[in-house]
Amino acid sequence: NAGVTQTPKFRILKIGQSMTLQCTQDMNHNYMYWYRQDPGMGLKLIYYSVGAGITDKGEVPNGYNVSRSTTEDFPLRLELAAPSQTSVYFCASFSKGGTLNTEAFFGQGTRLTVV
Amino acid sequence: AQSVTQLDSQVPVFEEAPVELRCNYSSSVSVYLFWYVQYPNQGLQLLLKYLSGSTLVKSINGFEAEFNKSQTSFHLRKPSVHISDTAEYFCAVMLYSSASKIIFGSGTRLSIRP
Repeated sequence: NAGVTQTPKFRILKIGQSMTLQCTQDMNHNYMYWYRQDPGMGLKLIYYSVGAGITDKGEVPNGYNVSRSTTEDFPLRLELAAPSQTSVYFCASFSKGGTLNTEAFFGQGTRLTVV
Repeated sequence: AQSVTQLDSQVPVFEEAPVELRCNYSSSVSVYLFWYVQYPNQGLQLLLKYLSGSTLVKSINGFEAEFNKSQTSFHLRKPSVHISDTAEYFCAVMLYSSASKIIFGSGTRLSIRP
């Protein structure tokens, strides 16, 4: 059971470039989330999804886009990279399955640097 | 909308001393509450959670947290810390009633001195 898989692990982008951060989960969770982590700021929610075809903005959505065509995949798109998007990005999926199983599972993160 | 406040950005303690990491949340409806731990250069792992029932919840490595509805708090405690507890700890809240956002606090860095 792979859990939540993020690719790539590291990436350096030039200002203005675009890229997609991939996130896949094999636990059949309906809820998926993208966060960014900046030093001293904790995790800020970028976008989330409660099921295939449904997405919604989080706390810091500007400069990002998402799609959810399948239950398993929740890619995050950066269209015009800016230095302010330098961060560590985490994808998570959530199981709401009773007392024992209700928790969020996280990927290992993608460290993105925009120069 | 829900929010989470972790008042202490850093907490230094000596090994074998007790520690408390504070977490307060704001929400007008019932919530799920979580503590996650992040070791250096790793992702987040669930430490413990409150969903319903007993207000005192415990982890397998000696941490415990108590849900206090009147004070809207979910403080994390350990009676005796170990060097291996050095990590960043995040409190998180999710609305109980619907599929929704999980909002995290800004984190508390726990550093253990020998």
